[in-house]
Amino acid sequence: DAGVIQSPRHEVTEMGQEVTLRCKPISGHNSLFWYRQTMMRGLELLIYFNNNVPIDDSGMPEDRFSAKMPNASFSTLKIQPSEPRDSAVYFCASSPGAYTPLHFGNGTRLTVT
Amino acid sequence: AQKITQTQPGMFVQEKEAVTLDCTYDTSDQSYGLFWYKQPSSGEMIFLIYQGSYDEQNATEGRYSLNFQKARKSANLVISASQLGDSAMYFCAMRELSSGNTPLVFGKGTRLSVIA
Repeated sequence: DAGVIQSPRHEVTEMGQEVTLRCKPISGHNSLFWYRQTMMRGLELLIYFNNNVPIDDSGMPEDRFSAKMPNASFSTLKIQPSEPRDSAVYFCASSPGAYTPLHFGNGTRLTVT
Repeated sequence: AQKITQTQPGMFVQEKEAVTLDCTYDTSDQSYGLFWYKQPSSGEMIFLIYQGSYDEQNATEGRYSLNFQKARKSANLVISASQLGDSAMYFCAMRELSSGNTPLVFGKGTRLSVIA
């Protein structure tokens, strides 16, 4: 079991550029979650999918953020255009069922200058 | 709306001593799960222990135990025989389960420092 795989581990980009974060959930897990972690706001949910279908995207900050899950083994989180306030650690997590913990990837540390 | 409160921003404990990290929660759901995660300075989120709302016994996993007091809506984490490697951020989290596979809601965390 390779765990949840996120790429890249670190991303440094300039304001206005497009950023794409990638996630491969654990095989067999039918739910995928995107979280953002900052010092000020802690861990906050951005969006989650059940069986590849977006269920709740109310945590997505604004229209500059979008997420897709084209199949059970891949998801992307895109920020276009990026802004310095988007700087954070972005975590992807997956889960096989309701009574189980979320398994987190190692996160992507995004810095927007 | 569900809410998790961790009132201790930071805690210190002597090596080999036990420490309790506080967590209170609020939910209107009768079926929920409570989770604790550890985040070391390297940044990964490590699952420690789970307690279901209908579990009658407190959960234990090695040196970790969860002091679950349902009437008080508290789910404190107890770490016995602290080790230097226990120094990390600890997050309490909850899932409401009556709606199926839902997200975790996290508290703000407690930073634990273990002193030699």
